[in-house]
Amino acid sequence: GAVVSQHPSWVICKSGTSVKIECRSLDFQATTMFWYRQFPKQSLMLMATSNEGSKATYEQGVEKDKFLINHASLTLSTLTVTSAHPEDSSFYICSAIQTQETQYFGPGTRLLVL
Amino acid sequence: AQRVTQPEKLLSVFKGAPVELKCNYSYSGSPELFWYVQYSRQRLQLLLRHISRESIKGFTADLNKGETSFHLKKPFAQEEDSAMYYCALSGGAGGFKTIFGAGTRLFVKA
Repeated sequence: GAVVSQHPSWVICKSGTSVKIECRSLDFQATTMFWYRQFPKQSLMLMATSNEGSKATYEQGVEKDKFLINHASLTLSTLTVTSAHPEDSSFYICSAIQTQETQYFGPGTRLLVL
Repeated sequence: AQRVTQPEKLLSVFKGAPVELKCNYSYSGSPELFWYVQYSRQRLQLLLRHISRESIKGFTADLNKGETSFHLKKPFAQEEDSAMYYCALSGGAGGFKTIFGAGTRLFVKA
């Protein structure tokens, strides 16, 4: 089946630094990828929809300048958390659409900002 | 507004007992409904979708448009069914955008 990977699986950084998270579709081309955020014991919250070659569509309340998304190819989307602060600490999950609206999820990236 | 409601955060049943995880939705239009499952230390994965009308791992879910519900059912729960279950909705102007419910943790006791 289709596989989506994320790198890194976890990252610890100092407050004020930027962190980049990669999401790759390993064996299929994904025209659309999604980025979610999940707080402990809570559901997935959609942050943005990323389409290859175009600007990402952000959900209401998600800061575009804070969470930069780039979808440079059909197999790679990146999320950069700029000037990270402790409140940005969370579990970030990406997913990719193959066909027929089937979403395949990455394993997630745990970010801890000190 | 689009919304998915899972009223139970935790559902605990004995092995062999029937289980029903509730899901209600709010959507103007014709949504597509899904159930996703996340086993311990694993990634989220699709369990079933309403348009397929299939049974996966013994689970079924029927879309009731009148009650705007999409409850997940299994007649005889197994210990390996213990996991986090998320009901989700997509479709309409939002395209593939998916809205997730808060999730229900199912615990099947031996």
